[in-house]
Formats: sequence, structure tokens, C-alpha cells
Amino acid sequence: EVQLVESGGGLVKPGGSLRLSCAASGFTFSNAWMSWVRQAPGKGLEWVGRIKSKTDGGTTDYAAPVKGRFTISRDDSKNTLYLQMNSLKTEDTAVYYCTTEVLYLRYGMDVWGQGTTVTVSS
Amino acid sequence: DIQMTQSPSSLSASVGDRVTITCRASQSISSYLNWYQQKPGKAPKLLIYAASSLQSGVPSRFSGSGSGTDFTLTISSLQPEDFATYYCQQSYSTPRGFGQGTKLEIK
Repeated sequence: EVQLVESGGGLVKPGGSLRLSCAASGFTFSNAWMSWVRQAPGKGLEWVGRIKSKTDGGTTDYAAPVKGRFTISRDDSKNTLYLQMNSLKTEDTAVYYCTTEVLYLRYGMDVWGQGTTVTVSS
Repeated sequence: DIQMTQSPSSLSASVGDRVTITCRASQSISSYLNWYQQKPGKAPKLLIYAASSLQSGVPSRFSGSGSGTDFTLTISSLQPEDFATYYCQQSYSTPRGFGQGTKLEIK
């Protein structure tokens, strides 16, 4: 079964850090382009960033609100995607989803995790 | 950055109705347009990719059309399980952008 499972969410103070993980199974993770998408309470979906497969260069791209504060990385040996979040702000409060970006689906986001909740509050 | 604008932001309809949601990109994105359905408390689900291709397992009452800057999602005959929020998303360039969502409610 194709599956993504996020973990690592929680309550953190403004200015703090948190690392989210996304464990993948059921597909060849090393070939996958992976993204993080977030959703603030009661709001719409917001793309956070993406990492390509190492075969395709392993490069990352980020949304403007998180650039310089968030870092996406991957460990293909552990089939795991990470989101390191530093200098957190209250506006980073959201459910964070990891998802696949599939080339043959015109980069549609096919598989999604269940989400992990990050709350930034003093 | 490419901006995605959906309309309407909310819509009331009845079971059996035909419904159309529109999405406009701020510049041409060819057919790099995807549609997602999200139900409360759940992750989004990919419905349509490449503007008009139905994702595997998605009922045929869902269809998409358009290219360039203007796109539509149509549900031909609403079913009770279709009441949800729908998002368009461009995959032409980064940053990937989502529309603001269309909440489809029961009339």
C-alpha cells in the first residue's frame, strides 16, 4: 500500500524550531519528487516547498513566506522526507502535509499523508 | 509568481445538479492544472490532472477542461459525497500555487 505518514508536529514558541518527518512506503521513494503543503486553520492550501529526486538533481524550491527559514531534505536510505522549520512565526500554525509530485500526472500531487499539526504560540 | 483565482468561493447546489467551478491563472500555464477535492479533517485528493485527465478511481461525473489561463471543473450530477471544498493548482512552475478554494454546500 502506498502511504505517507507525517510526524513531529506540536506546540512551539515563536522563534523556535521544529523538524517534521514524512515516512514513505509502498513506492520507490528515491525516484519521487516530494512536496510539503500546509493549511492554516480554516484557510486554504498553501504550497511550502519541494525537493526533487537525487536523480533529477535533488534541488529544492520554497514559497516566499518560508524561504530562508525552512529547509526540505530527504534520506532515501530511510525513505523519509524532512521539513526543518526555524524562526517559527505564529502564522506558520497549520496542518502540514507531505505529498508526492508525479511527473506522469503533470506534476499532480497524488499521494498525501494524513497531516501533522504545528501550533506556534507563546 | 503565478496567481490562481477560483470562482465562486462558495456554491450551494442540490443532489443531481450540474456544477461548474472556474479557475484562472495570471499567466499561461498550458495544461499544467490540477484539481483537488478536500473534505473536512482529511487530506486533499487529486481528481483531475493535466487540466482534463481523470485520476484513477475518480468517478466519471467529474471532468476538467481548459488550457492557457482559463480552466473549469464540472461535476455532471452531484452526489451526496461530492459536497466538499475544491482547489485548483498550477504545476507549470514554482512556486506552485493553489486557488483559494470553492466550498460546495448542500442547498
